[in-house]
Amino acid sequence: DQQVKQNSPSLRVQEGRISILNCDYTNSMFDYFLWYKKYPAEGPTFLISISSIKDKNEDGRFTVFLNKSAKHLSLHIVPSQPGDSAVYFCAARWTGGFKTIFGAGTRLFVKA
Amino acid sequence: GAVVSQHPSRVICKSGTSVKIECRSLDFQATTMFWYRQFPKKSLMLMATSNEGSKATYEQGVEKDKFLINHASLTLSTLTVTSAHPEDSSFYICSATGEETQYFGPGTRLLVL
Repeated sequence: DQQVKQNSPSLRVQEGRISILNCDYTNSMFDYFLWYKKYPAEGPTFLISISSIKDKNEDGRFTVFLNKSAKHLSLHIVPSQPGDSAVYFCAARWTGGFKTIFGAGTRLFVKA
Repeated sequence: GAVVSQHPSRVICKSGTSVKIECRSLDFQATTMFWYRQFPKKSLMLMATSNEGSKATYEQGVEKDKFLINHASLTLSTLTVTSAHPEDSSFYICSATGEETQYFGPGTRLLVL
């Protein structure tokens, strides 16, 4: 049962344009969502998170939007840079449970 | 930010031997650590939750006798792959929870010949 879904395995974007990575979840108990960035042969690094009481969280070039009614969240990167090329994992968990459920990841390619 | 280290970063071993991977939280105490495994082009699969001072909690389908986890202190958890087989070859990643965020180690690439 895939509770966190990233339906796009890859995304190609031109440098300077906006990258939008999407994520859907099925478990309504999730109340905290995270995005991680991962380079090959490295562990994931935390990027940005959002609590279910918010619908938007912004940190520099990165903004995460949460639509609870649609059980959907997205990560916007603007402007995209070649160094942003990596695999992005969407993750979710619920209060009282430290277990984090990850999506399958989306590989972002930013072309110069 | 918080730092989690893993050692070794890469290991090659013969089939039938055991391999120990260490995970350390360097600047914070972690009562709970997690061990993940990543298959090629797949997501991170949670293997087990490591609890300091008590037994680890394994996810369904993960053999606890094969993947031994010890969380001896608030900064160290170890994963031992016992009697390794080629199918155990994978990328193993640990993480520790600091405040609200999980921090991940750099991963250990295991190759079993």
